[in-house]
Order: sequence, then C-alpha cells, then structure tokens
Amino acid sequence: DTGVSQDPRHKITKRGQNVTFRCDPISEHNRLYWYRQTLGQGPEFLTYFQNEAQLEKSRLLSDRFSAERPKGSFSTLEIQRTEQGDSAMYLCASSLAGGLRVNEQFFGPGTRLTVL
Amino acid sequence: GNSVTQMEGPVTLSEEAFLTINCTYTATGYPSLFWYVQYPGEGLQLLLKATKADDKGSNKGFEATYRKETTSFHLEKGSVQVSDSAVYFCALSISNDYKLSFGAGTTVTVRA
Repeated sequence: DTGVSQDPRHKITKRGQNVTFRCDPISEHNRLYWYRQTLGQGPEFLTYFQNEAQLEKSRLLSDRFSAERPKGSFSTLEIQRTEQGDSAMYLCASSLAGGLRVNEQFFGPGTRLTVL
Repeated sequence: GNSVTQMEGPVTLSEEAFLTINCTYTATGYPSLFWYVQYPGEGLQLLLKATKADDKGSNKGFEATYRKETTSFHLEKGSVQVSDSAVYFCALSISNDYKLSFGAGTTVTVRA
C-alpha cells in the first residue's frame, strides 16, 4: 500500500466556482479525517468518518462545504461557491478505528486550493 | 476546549547543536500527545507519540516526555543534522474521537 493519496494536488479556481477533492485512505483504515491548513498555521480539524458514517463536523465547515464517504473507502470534499478565504491546503488523514495504533493518523500530501 | 501552544520560530541552528522545541497543552480529558514533522515538499509524518503521563516517545534521535504536572511535551534532539530542517508540529488527541488539535508549527533550519 502506498499510503494516503489525494487528488488533485493543486487546484486554482475562480471565486464562486465549485470544487471537489478526493482522498483515498490506506486500505485497511476505517477512520478518515479532513483538515485545513493555512499558511503559517497548524492543520485544523474539519470532519471525520468512521466507515461511511460522518461522525463529527467542525464549526469551520460552513454549509458551503460537504464531505462524503459513500462506500467507506474513498472520500470527497466539495466546496460550493468558493471564496478567497477558502484558499488553503486541504489535508486528508486515515487511521484504524481500534487497537494500539488507533490514535496514529497517516496524512496524505494535501490538495492546495487557490481561489482567485 | 483542547489547544496546543508551541514555541514560535523560526529556529536556526548549526549542525550538531542541541534542539529543544517547547510545547504545552490544555485538554478536556486525558490526551495522547504527538509530534509531527513536515519536511520541505512533503506531507505530515508522525515523528513520535506518548499516550500516558511520564511516557517518553522517541524516534530518529528525537525524544519527548509526557509531563502531566506541567502539561508539557517538549521535543529534544541532542545533535541535529541538516536533514532535520523541517516544520515541527505538536498535537494532541482525546480518545473519544481521536481528532488532532495542532500547534502552529515551528520551523527549524539547520546549517552546515
């Protein structure tokens, strides 16, 4: 397994457009997390899934944001009507849901979004 | 809520110098503590972790001890190399959901 992958790596869009990002977790991991990282800051939690169930959403996740994990494998994060303030690196991480390594999250390379 | 405060950077050192990056936390509950590292052009990688008081995490010559009495998890390395140049993030998670709360990161540059 090659780890967590994210697509695309970079996305440039115009304000008001919709964008969708994809995350493929490590295959045996049933927890999947999304974070957002702006320049000079640490990642901030957005939402997480256990299998296909979305268990928590941060207040950072406005109604323009939606995330899905339809079959408990890959996940998508969609941003509607993008704003310049959405420009950030969007990170995906996955982990096991139990066992000794339950709290070890493995991160993907991120999708860098630039909203013009 | 849960939060992490870490030493502001940037930090510039010479090779073989001693590195310390301070990290303190506040948490509702009993957290696990982590150090993540981000090398230039790469994604976040787990460097080390500790899950209970007085545990010491270690990896690649780095160490950090979970100090519950001072709510701290300072990162140390006795002799840094140029290849240790990176951004270091302190983080915590609580066992009900395991979502990570990160500090702002400390940029470390090691000069030959």
